[in-house]
Amino acid sequence: DTGVSQDPRHKITKRGQNVTFRCDPISEHNRLYWYRQTLGQGPEFLTYFQNEAQLEKSRLLSDRFSAERPKGSFSTLEIQRTEQGDSAMYLCASSSLKGSYGYTFGSGTRLTVV
Amino acid sequence: TQLLEQSPQFLSIQEGENLTVYCNSSSVFSSLQWYRQEPGEGPVLLVTVVTGGEVKKLKRLTFQFGDARKDSSLHITAAQPGDTGLYLCAPQNSGGSNYKLTFGKGTLLTVNP
Repeated sequence: DTGVSQDPRHKITKRGQNVTFRCDPISEHNRLYWYRQTLGQGPEFLTYFQNEAQLEKSRLLSDRFSAERPKGSFSTLEIQRTEQGDSAMYLCASSSLKGSYGYTFGSGTRLTVV
Repeated sequence: TQLLEQSPQFLSIQEGENLTVYCNSSSVFSSLQWYRQEPGEGPVLLVTVVTGGEVKKLKRLTFQFGDARKDSSLHITAAQPGDTGLYLCAPQNSGGSNYKLTFGKGTLLTVNP
């Protein structure tokens, strides 16, 4: 297993466009998380899946954001009608139910809204 | 809501120097994790500390969990340019939210050759 993969690594989009990011977690990990990170800040929690169930969404996740994890494997994060304030690094992480609860992060998708 | 503070926010030192960064909170935690993040990459887990007063060493890095499990420190001996990065602490609470990590703003460390 090569770790957590995120695609694309970089995305530049015009304000008002929709974008979709993909995350492929470590295969044996049940839990998948999305975080957002802006310059000078630590990662901020967006949402969390256990298998295919989305168990928590942050208040940061407005109605324009939606995340899915069909079949409990890969996940997608869609942002509709992007705004300049959506520009950030979007990080995906996965973890298992057992063990030290440590996360394995992907390299992130850098979104720039122009 | 827990308040999590990491200090200093920025630290620039010369190769070979020692340094300590801190993670403090108003809450008691069941465990705490430290991550390092390099520019353009995701954070990488360094260590998890669980027991109050626990000390863990990872080569030149020494991690300590406070006796009251409300704070932690990371000490780096003889820093090297490869130690450059954003150091993030992430406490965990026991109970229903123990799956979710809340990160501090981090300490941005630059080690100059």
